[in-house]
Amino acid sequence: DQQVKQNSPSLSVQEGRISILNCDYTNSMFDYFLWYKKYPAEGPTFLISISSIKDKNEDGRFTVFLNKSAKHLSLHIVPSQPGDSAVYFCAASANSNYQLIWGAGTKLIIKP
Amino acid sequence: DAGVTQSPTHLIKTRGQQVTLRCSPKSGHDTVSWYQQALGQGPQFIFQYYEEEERQRGNFPDRFSGHQFPNYSSELNVNALLLGDSALYLCASSAGPTGDEQYFGPGTRLTVT
Repeated sequence: DQQVKQNSPSLSVQEGRISILNCDYTNSMFDYFLWYKKYPAEGPTFLISISSIKDKNEDGRFTVFLNKSAKHLSLHIVPSQPGDSAVYFCAASANSNYQLIWGAGTKLIIKP
Repeated sequence: DAGVTQSPTHLIKTRGQQVTLRCSPKSGHDTVSWYQQALGQGPQFIFQYYEEEERQRGNFPDRFSGHQFPNYSSELNVNALLLGDSALYLCASSAGPTGDEQYFGPGTRLTVT
């Protein structure tokens, strides 16, 4: 039972354009969501998070949107840069329980 | 400031053997969580250690055990290895069990033959 789903295994975007990565979840108890970026041979790196009391959180080029009614969140990267090419993971937790539930990841490729 | 370190980087074991993986948390962090990442999947939570005790555990059998030392470093032990245990094992540290974002090490690639 996949509680966190990233349905796009890969995404290709032109440099300078917007990248939108999507994530769906099924557990209504999730109240904290995070995005991580992972380069090959490295561990995941925290990017941005959002609490369920918010619907948007912004940090530089990265913005996360949360739609609780749809149980959907998305990560927007604008403008996309070559260094953004990586695998992006969506993760969620419930009630400050730090057992993160992860999606399978989306490989983002930024084309020059 | 050293980040999270893990050893060894790679490991090859035979079915039925036992393995120990090690993790040193980021400076200032006191909580260590372990994850298993199979190929093409996201990390799966194994367990978390805080104050030298296992605080939370994911859906993993008792073959998976761990330990946290007074200096906050941690070990993951897996007994009676199965082929399906082949994966990348990630360690993450944080400031407290319900602290903000976790910092990950590069992982240990375990191959069971």
